[in-house]
Amino acid sequence: DAKTTQPTSMDCAEGRAANLPCNHSTISGNEYVYWYRQIHSQGPQYIIHGLKNNETNEMASLIITEDRKSSTLILPHATLRDTAVYYCIVRVERGGSNYKLTFGKGTLLTVNP
Amino acid sequence: ETGVTQSPTHLIKTRGQQVTLRCSSQSGHNTVSWYQQALGQGPQFIFQYYREEENGRGNFPPRFSGLQFPNYSSELNVNALELDDSALYLCASSRVGYEQFFGPGTRLTVL
Repeated sequence: DAKTTQPTSMDCAEGRAANLPCNHSTISGNEYVYWYRQIHSQGPQYIIHGLKNNETNEMASLIITEDRKSSTLILPHATLRDTAVYYCIVRVERGGSNYKLTFGKGTLLTVNP
Repeated sequence: ETGVTQSPTHLIKTRGQQVTLRCSSQSGHNTVSWYQQALGQGPQFIFQYYREEENGRGNFPPRFSGLQFPNYSSELNVNALELDDSALYLCASSRVGYEQFFGPGTRLTVL
């Protein structure tokens, strides 16, 4: 699986958009970008994933650059409850033969009042 | 829909003992993965079970073993506990190859 690079920490004001970048310059054509977050001492929570098109769900939006070498997770209106470590992971999505998520250290997002 | 559950929440063991951790999958999921998360680190993949067989393993010694049952629930067993085994143990369920959903974890302390 391709390696990812994320900033160690970021701050965001409550109510503003939080934009979390991720670099994955060695991503392969069949690798997806996944985002998870982990609130202190809880299990990681799946947020969103995508291949090359931008994706949006009820939690966030994922913007992937045209060359797929980087992506941005956007939380449109951050709340204090969004304070967490955010992990960007790339992996191949295919049934049966892919099995693991490779977590880095992620980005600690702190939402301030 | 019931999410992934794990038991126990916390436990304390002494070095050399054995421990069994349990995980119940989310409804509709047939695959269980286990991760170890040391303090201040991201989760590290231990192994995955699919159709009651190990479907992949990370860089963990054989004293880490697992089982998956016909109802897709799973156990993680660790023998000969070492101090470095102190960690949060996370279970995740999924349809094979697709996004994984994590339980709340079991905090293991080895003294």
